[in-house]
Amino acid sequence: DADVTQTPRNRITKTGKRIMLECSQTKGHDRMYWYRQDPGLGLRLIYYSFDVKDINKGEISDGYSVSRQAQAKFSLSLESAIPNQTALYFCATSDRDRELFFGEGSRLTVL
Amino acid sequence: AQTVTQSQPEMSVQEAETVTLSCTYDTSESDYYLFWYKQPPSRQMILVIRQEAYKQQNATENRFSVNFQKAAKSFSLKISDSQLGDAAMYFCAYTMYSGGGADGLTFGKGTHLIIQP
Repeated sequence: DADVTQTPRNRITKTGKRIMLECSQTKGHDRMYWYRQDPGLGLRLIYYSFDVKDINKGEISDGYSVSRQAQAKFSLSLESAIPNQTALYFCATSDRDRELFFGEGSRLTVL
Repeated sequence: AQTVTQSQPEMSVQEAETVTLSCTYDTSESDYYLFWYKQPPSRQMILVIRQEAYKQQNATENRFSVNFQKAAKSFSLKISDSQLGDAAMYFCAYTMYSGGGADGLTFGKGTHLIIQP
């Protein structure tokens, strides 16, 4: 089983719908992240969390919210999806060694 | 804010040849970490190599090595004896040492590497 698991792997939805992307990890890391990948733009940070009580906005947090339900679980929500939120979303974890460990990505298409 | 620049959107190399991918970064920090990640068509993000800025010796992992030029803020990746399996997007990334690096990595826009058989 993967150390960082994302669900769903692929999702097609319509404009205005609420979407939740879920992430769980078995690495025991305190730090968790949500990144967005767009062609030609690389990966950009949406939100990050040091622990259950600490959540921080990243570079592109507008239109997104997160919840850290437990040390191992970090979910990303789009309250009202719009087409320009179509992207590949990655969850990642890290320890003090700085290396990021990524999930397999969730491809979201908003029609 | 720190920025990472990959000036080559796409590179092509013949199988078994050597290719170098460029990366420059902007920071006022003296201690930091640099990474190269690989993303094959499977879309999985895979760590290729990492470099701590305080280390003068360039990192090496098998056929992958870096040329870290701290004064020039340059961090290029050299792939020797290129193989078909090296075909992927390659991302350069940075994080500062202070603060425990808890705010994640800053990524470049990526270089698409094509391996010609």
